[in-house]
Amino acid sequence: GIQVEQSPPDLILQEGANSTLRCNFSDSVNNLQWFHQNPWGQLINLFYIPSGTKQNGRLSATTVATERYSLLYISSSQTTDSGVYFCAVEENYQLIWGAGTKLIIKP
Amino acid sequence: EAGVVQSPRYKIIEKKQPVAFWCNPISGHNTLYWYLQNLGQGPELLIRYENEEAVDDSQLPKDRFSAERLKGVDSTLKIQPAELGDSAVYLCASGTSGNYEQYFGPGTRLTVT
Repeated sequence: GIQVEQSPPDLILQEGANSTLRCNFSDSVNNLQWFHQNPWGQLINLFYIPSGTKQNGRLSATTVATERYSLLYISSSQTTDSGVYFCAVEENYQLIWGAGTKLIIKP
Repeated sequence: EAGVVQSPRYKIIEKKQPVAFWCNPISGHNTLYWYLQNLGQGPELLIRYENEEAVDDSQLPKDRFSAERLKGVDSTLKIQPAELGDSAVYLCASGTSGNYEQYFGPGTRLTVT
């Protein structure tokens, strides 16, 4: 099955900093989603991005399907950005999840 | 538009007791998923429904877990009897056939003592 690897596993930044999170996957995919799981456990859809680039406010994502990776960019970080960021890809109608990047934004 | 609704949000039970979780998907979504999430890990699929049909229940521990989606809308996941190792967050997600994007509910945090 598809393997999904995320890096870095942990990231601690000061408020206002920018960050790049990476997701590598081992095979071609029909679906790739980025989620933010906040400290209360809610999984929030950030992007549905099997290919190309999307932007939503301070967040943007790029997936290069031919090279099997996706990047999530967070600019001007805020404390509310803290949590775990998951990348998940679809295989046989189920999502295969990376281990996540735990992001802590310090005030 | 309302999101995926789950209840209860928290549940504490003693081992060997039964427990049930309820999920109401986003209106118009015909696919529904139940996931289990342990602390520090990504969610693991338990069962996937398309309308009222369970199309993938291969990872559902059928000796103690059961699920139903009788009218193709709301769904219930049951554990009987619960074991200590069942303590986790149970997540429900919904989507539409042919579109792989999934939307998650807030989850039910189960503690088995």
